[in-house]
Amino acid sequence: QVQMVESGGGVVQPGRSLRLSCAASGFTLSSYGMHWVRQAPGKGLEWVAFISFDEKRTYYADSVKGRFIISRDNSKNTLFLQMSSLRPEDTAIYFCAKDLSFGSDWPRFDPRGQGTLVTVSS
Amino acid sequence: AIQMTQSPSSLSASVGDTVTITCRASRDIKNDLGWYQQRPGKAPKLLIFGSSYLQSGVPSRFSGSGSGTDFTLTISSLQPEDFATYYCLQNYYYPRTFGQGTKVEIK
Repeated sequence: QVQMVESGGGVVQPGRSLRLSCAASGFTLSSYGMHWVRQAPGKGLEWVAFISFDEKRTYYADSVKGRFIISRDNSKNTLFLQMSSLRPEDTAIYFCAKDLSFGSDWPRFDPRGQGTLVTVSS
Repeated sequence: AIQMTQSPSSLSASVGDTVTITCRASRDIKNDLGWYQQRPGKAPKLLIFGSSYLQSGVPSRFSGSGSGTDFTLTISSLQPEDFATYYCLQNYYYPRTFGQGTKVEIK
C-alpha cells in the first residue's frame, strides 16, 4: 500500500532554513519522479518542485527558485526539501506526491497524507 | 509561468445536479490538464489526467474535456461526497501551475 509521510515542519524565523522529509513506503521510490506541493492556510494549491526518478532533472516554482532544493535518497526511500531564506509567504502545509506511474508525471498524493506545516514567523 | 484561470471560484448546487467547472490556460498546453478534488483537511486526489482520462477508482460521473487552452470538468448527478474544492493543474510546462480552485457547496 502506497504511503508517503511528510515530516520536518515547524515554526521558523524569517531568513532561517528548514529541511522537510517525505518517507515513502509501499513502492520503489527510485522508479518514480516526486513532487512537493504546498497550501497556505485557507488558500489554494501551489506546486513547488519536482525531481526525476534518476535525479537528473529538477524543476522549481518561480517563488522558491534559488532558495529551495529538492533531493532524494533512494536507498532510504526518502524525499527531501531543503528550504533556505524562508519568508512569511512560505507558510503552508507541504505535501509530497509521487508520479502517477513511470513515465506519467501527474502528481499523485497519499490519500491519508496530512502534509507537514511550516510556519515562518518572528 | 503558465497562468491557469478557473471559473467559477465557487458554486452552490444540489444533490443530483450537473455542474461544470472551466479552466483556461494562458498558453496552449495540448491536453496536459488534470483535475484534483480536495476535501477539507485532506490531501488532493487526482480525478482526471490528460484532459479526459479518468483515474482508476474515480466514479464515471466525473468527466473532463478540452484541449489547447480551454478545459472543462463536469460532474453529473452530484453526490454528497462531491462537495469539495476542485483544482485544475497544467502538466505541460515547468513550473507546473494549479488553478485557483472552485469550491462546490451544497445549496
